[in-house]
Amino acid sequence: AQSVTQLDSQVPVFEEAPVELRCNYSSSVSVYLFWYVQYPNQGLQLLLKYLSGSTLVKGINGFEAEFNKSQTSFHLRKPSVHISDTAEYFCAVSNAGGTSYGKLTFGQGTILTVHP
Amino acid sequence: DGGITQSPKYLFRKEGQNVTLSCEQNLNHDAMYWYRQDPGQGLRLIYYSQIVNDFQKGDIAEGYSVSREKKESFPLTVTSAQKNPTAFYLCASSISRSDQPQHFGDGTRLSIL
Repeated sequence: AQSVTQLDSQVPVFEEAPVELRCNYSSSVSVYLFWYVQYPNQGLQLLLKYLSGSTLVKGINGFEAEFNKSQTSFHLRKPSVHISDTAEYFCAVSNAGGTSYGKLTFGQGTILTVHP
Repeated sequence: DGGITQSPKYLFRKEGQNVTLSCEQNLNHDAMYWYRQDPGQGLRLIYYSQIVNDFQKGDIAEGYSVSREKKESFPLTVTSAQKNPTAFYLCASSISRSDQPQHFGDGTRLSIL
């Protein structure tokens, strides 16, 4: 079984400040890791994903995340946020290969609020 | 542009009534998924389909049913057996069954009258 824990349910930050959204996971097998963003009353958009290779992954809208296998973490970062980054962010994990195919396990979500 | 269309955007159900949520995609994706979203709980997988005429239960399938008669369509029925159906329902798709969900619809919000 897998699980994902997003350590902060809400993160307030001022515009142009850096931000880090924390995600830890638990799994007995190798995993793929994802970050999605959800704007109010909309579906999810894929921000970035880690499948293999470099542990630093760059995504859309200036976001990046670092996979740390020893700490089982996949924290999302942005050096300077904008008002438009206000949204809910979800970390997700799936088995790397095997029979689970595209099944994802999601974290509880972190609401990022950017203040002017 | 290709994408996923969910309808209706808002849906109300009476006690004891079945309702069907529509999900249509024009992306030519093989795999489709239904998720339920509750505040503070993230998304939970209800059903998924890797190919036409095949579907599998997810983590919370009780009280729900699906069909996949056409590649582009994956409707979800919320039956009267689902005792707490009030939630936001999201449909997603991926190119193949070995890929993770890449596209999501804008969701259907279901409420009980």
